[in-house]
Amino acid sequence: DIQMTQSPSTLSASVGDIVTITCRASQSVTNRLAWYQQKPGKAPKLLIYETSTLQSGVPSRFSGTGFGTEFTLTVSSLQPDDFATYYCHQYSYYSWTFGQGTKVDIK
Amino acid sequence: EVQLVESGGALVQPGGSLRLSCAASGFTFNAYWMTWVRQTPDKGLEWVANIKQDGSEKHYMASVQGRFTISRDNAKNSLYLQMNSLRTEDTAIYYCAKHTKPDFREDSFHYWGQGTQVTVSS
Repeated sequence: DIQMTQSPSTLSASVGDIVTITCRASQSVTNRLAWYQQKPGKAPKLLIYETSTLQSGVPSRFSGTGFGTEFTLTVSSLQPDDFATYYCHQYSYYSWTFGQGTKVDIK
Repeated sequence: EVQLVESGGALVQPGGSLRLSCAASGFTFNAYWMTWVRQTPDKGLEWVANIKQDGSEKHYMASVQGRFTISRDNAKNSLYLQMNSLRTEDTAIYYCAKHTKPDFREDSFHYWGQGTQVTVSS
């Protein structure tokens, strides 16, 4: 199985900050990488798929980059609604695995 | 509006069985692969199983292979997960999820249900 490692595990930030979360795959997943946001008691919400394609309705302050084994999710100006846990998810050939999550909380 | 509504979660003893259901609406159900994902505080999100549009292809995570069976009824717009020989480590919230693009096996999950709690304990 392809292992996904996210860093950091937790991140303390303030409104307006630029936030970057990294996800590393144990082998290449090309561009088959998605990011989700999850709030307590709710299901994950798709933010970005195919590494950099913003899901409809997701604010443009969210962006994704990367290819192969290294990926990043960036929030350009953190808003109050963005405090949540973020997960990366690879979906390459016959394999579907998630990172362990990055919790973004208020500094 | 796309809706996925899971049901069937319960408290069950180790070795027991449970059948989860997911009622889908708001999209062409028979055009999409569907997936079950589970979540625990310890292990986070885990992909469990998925199924092709017509049910002809299914895949399972190693630890549930042989114990869980995914199925679907396109006439009823419903997805199922039959769970047998349950273990304490199967305790989790189980979500059904719709793949983002029609006819894509390796895909992100565009919509998720609200989840149903499965607790395996004596």
